[in-house]
Amino acid sequence: EAEVAQSPRYKITEKSQAVAFWCDPISGHATLYWYRQILGQGPELLVQFQDESVVDDSQLPKDRFSAERLKGVDSTLKIQPAELGDSAMYLCASSLGQGVYEQYFGPGTRLTVT
Amino acid sequence: GEDVEQSLFLSVREGDSSVINCTYTDSSSTYLYWYKQEPGAGLQLLTYIFSNMDMKQDQRLTVLLNKKDKHLSLRIADTQTGDSAIYFCAVPPGNDYKLSFGAGTTVTVRA
Repeated sequence: EAEVAQSPRYKITEKSQAVAFWCDPISGHATLYWYRQILGQGPELLVQFQDESVVDDSQLPKDRFSAERLKGVDSTLKIQPAELGDSAMYLCASSLGQGVYEQYFGPGTRLTVT
Repeated sequence: GEDVEQSLFLSVREGDSSVINCTYTDSSSTYLYWYKQEPGAGLQLLTYIFSNMDMKQDQRLTVLLNKKDKHLSLRIADTQTGDSAIYFCAVPPGNDYKLSFGAGTTVTVRA
């Protein structure tokens, strides 16, 4: 069964350092999402791509976060510099398209900022 | 945006039924979803219901939708230890493509 892949699974970094997460969606899925899940809360959308274009980054803290999906397949989410409040689970999801709401999630990257 | 609320905890005895409740604010949502998250893992799509349905059954899972009251519930029959997890209700507000998630209900199954 096809799955969304993410790496690394765990990342510990010191504040002010740069960190990057990678996501490979299910093959053929045009829409890719990055979510942040703070402990005890539901996921919150950070950015959504349709192919290689950003369609929604309204909740992305653009002073420190960036995301790209250059060839419309895999994607990278970067934080620079990391802050203590960025400690969370970062989840990637994909779906066939924008109008199809069934999103499939990867295992996530657990980020701890010290 | 869409506000989605869930009770935070549910404890149930193995073999009993679990009922997880969710309320939302936007009545124009087309599909409503239930996701399951096991410790340290991503979210797994469990089931969904289309807004013109009142009920959907899928093996041990039954979804009930009351559009008038904007209330969604998930019933798990014959709850097993493997059902221990966090369950999220997710609703796309209106014609938007985003999913708004509740805070999740932690279900603990006791022997």
